[in-house]
Amino acid sequence: DLVMTQSPLSLTLTLGQPASISCRSSQRLVYSDGNTYLNWFHQRPGQSPRRLIFQVSNRDSGVPDRFSGSGSGTDFTLNISGIEAEDVGIYYCMQDTLWPKTFGQGTKVEIK
Amino acid sequence: EVQLVESGGALVQPGGSLRLSCAAPGITFTGHWVHWVRQSPGKGLVWVSGITPDGSATFYADAVKGRFTISRDNAKNTVYLRMNSLRAEDTAIYYCATLPWGLGDYWGQGTLVTVSS
Repeated sequence: DLVMTQSPLSLTLTLGQPASISCRSSQRLVYSDGNTYLNWFHQRPGQSPRRLIFQVSNRDSGVPDRFSGSGSGTDFTLNISGIEAEDVGIYYCMQDTLWPKTFGQGTKVEIK
Repeated sequence: EVQLVESGGALVQPGGSLRLSCAAPGITFTGHWVHWVRQSPGKGLVWVSGITPDGSATFYADAVKGRFTISRDNAKNTVYLRMNSLRAEDTAIYYCATLPWGLGDYWGQGTLVTVSS
């Protein structure tokens, strides 16, 4: 199976500080249609996951513009321009270019 | 806010069976793939199974292949996950989700399956 590796596994930030989470795939994620199906999810404690970003850089409805995604091939990044209290939780990347869909191991974000 | 609704989670003995349901009161399921994703206690997300909008094709993770069966009844706007030969390692919160390539990603609140004697 395709392996997704995130780093760092944890981040402790002060309010307003920028954050960057990396996700690396074991194979290129470009599908035969030319698109790259790499997603980012956020899971707050005790809640279901919520998708933030699809196809590398597209924000889902209602997602604040402080969240942005970038990358290509095998290397992808989620950036948060200034962390807010509601952003705590775990962030996961997930590829759905190839079967089976696979998630990264998660990055835990906390506020100091 | 659209949300899916899972049900059917329970405590079951190893080797037992369970059927989970995923209903979609806010959307018409017929246009959506539906997937099951699980999360063991304190662990990350793992994709389990998926089904096409018309139910003609199904997909499974190796860990559940041959034991779990996904199906759907579009007339009832419901997707099911039949789980047989359950093992301790199947203990998890099971979420259903649409996981589209584009817009329209919906998740449920999850249902807890505990496999223990």
